[in-house]
Amino acid sequence: GDSVTQMEGPVTLSEEAFLTINCTYTATGYPSLFWYVQYPGEGLQLLLKATKADDKGSNKGFEATYRKETTSFHLEKGSVQVSDSAVYFCALSVSTGANSKLTFGKGITLSVRP
Amino acid sequence: DTGVSQNPRHKITKRGQNVTFRCDPISEHNRLYWYRQTLGQGPEFLTYFQNEAQLEKSRLLSDRFSAERPKGSFSTLEIQRTEQGDSAMYLCASSSTDREARETQYFGPGTRLLVL
Repeated sequence: GDSVTQMEGPVTLSEEAFLTINCTYTATGYPSLFWYVQYPGEGLQLLLKATKADDKGSNKGFEATYRKETTSFHLEKGSVQVSDSAVYFCALSVSTGANSKLTFGKGITLSVRP
Repeated sequence: DTGVSQNPRHKITKRGQNVTFRCDPISEHNRLYWYRQTLGQGPEFLTYFQNEAQLEKSRLLSDRFSAERPKGSFSTLEIQRTEQGDSAMYLCASSSTDREARETQYFGPGTRLLVL
């Protein structure tokens, strides 16, 4: 079946540090890939997505590139801010008929200290 | 567009009681999903509606769980004879059938259930 593996957390960084959060996947079909973010006390929000190989999703300074050869979708940001502290989820979707259900990784907690 | 809303936000119940949660999707979205999230885990798919039709149910959805979307707008998720293992965050998401947008799901804030 489909699955998403995220690196173990939590991750603690100082402000302006470089961020990489690893994500790899296995899928029975050709998935679309997503990063969702959950800020404290809030619901899941779509951060970025990529729908085909070599596509790069980007938003709010975050980037991730769909790498089919390594089945990966690592999240990066050049300079993190305290406001980036949140839980980050990698997810995939393989459309089967009309259903585009999401399969999520376990999530990783990022804490950014001033 | 006020986003996806869920009610109640929190529910505490005793084991064996029935509970019902409501989800109001974004108005023009005809796809609706329910997920369950336990502590330290990512959300897991429960069931999916397109308009009023329930098209897929996960094996996670035991016979004690039932979901409806009677008019293709809001949806309800009922859990009968709750068990402590049902304690979790129940998330609702909606998406459009527009080809470009259909893979993007918008999530509500969730209903946190605690079964004592």
